[in-house]
Amino acid sequence: EAGVAQSPRYKIIEKRQSVAFWCNPISGHATLYWYQQILGQGPKLLIQFQNNGVVDDSQLPKDRFSAERLKGVDSTLKIQPAKLEDSAVYLCASSLETPPPGFVGLSGANVLTFGAGSRLTVL
Amino acid sequence: GQQLNQSPQSMFIQEGEDVSMNCTSSSIFNTWLWYKQEPGEGPVLLIALYKAGELTSNGRLTAQFGITRKDSFLNISASIPSDVGIYFCAGFFLYNFNKFYFGSGTKLNVKP
Repeated sequence: EAGVAQSPRYKIIEKRQSVAFWCNPISGHATLYWYQQILGQGPKLLIQFQNNGVVDDSQLPKDRFSAERLKGVDSTLKIQPAKLEDSAVYLCASSLETPPPGFVGLSGANVLTFGAGSRLTVL
Repeated sequence: GQQLNQSPQSMFIQEGEDVSMNCTSSSIFNTWLWYKQEPGEGPVLLIALYKAGELTSNGRLTAQFGITRKDSFLNISASIPSDVGIYFCAGFFLYNFNKFYFGSGTKLNVKP
C-alpha cells in the first residue's frame, strides 16, 4: 500500500512569512496526526483528526498555526506568521480507526505510520 | 501530558555488540511501539506489541511488553553500522482517543 505522502520536503522562509504543509494519509486511515519534531526530541502532537473532525488540538499554537482536513482525507497545516522557534520537522502520520473493545490485539491496529516529514527552517 | 522515560539517551557501541534500551511510563498502555528514525526521514515502525508479557522478534530485534503494562524494552543483537539512528518508543492507550505518547529517543552510534 502507498505510504503517507507529505510535501514539500524542505522549506526555508523568513520569520513572519507564512508556510503550508500538505499530507495525504494511507487510504482508509480515519485518524490523521500532525507532529512537530524539534532537533534532538521526540515527536510532539500538534493536532489529531478523526475523519474531518478535530479530536485534540490542545498543543496547537492557535494564534499562528491552523490545520484542516475538510473531506476527511488529506490535510493541510499552516503557520502564519512563522517564528524562529517554529524551525522543526513537521511529521504527518495516520492510523487505522481504533477497533472496538475485544479487538485490541488485532495486528496492524493501533499503529502510527509516518510520512517522511517536512523540514522547516525559519531565518 | 503523559511522559515516557526512555533510556539511555545515546549509545556508542562497537559493531557486533548487543544493545538494549527501555521505556517506562507512569500509566498503563494497550500497545507499545518501537520506531527507528534515520536522518531526514520520518520514524519507521520496527515492532508492535499488543499484550502484556508479549515478546516479539523482527530479525535481530527483540522487544517485550512489560507485565505491568508500564514498560517495554528493545534489544538489538549483533549490531551493524546500518543500525545507526534514533530509536523511539511509543505507547498507545485505547480509551484515550487514539492518543500516542513518545519517548525522547535513544541515539545509537555503531563504530565499524
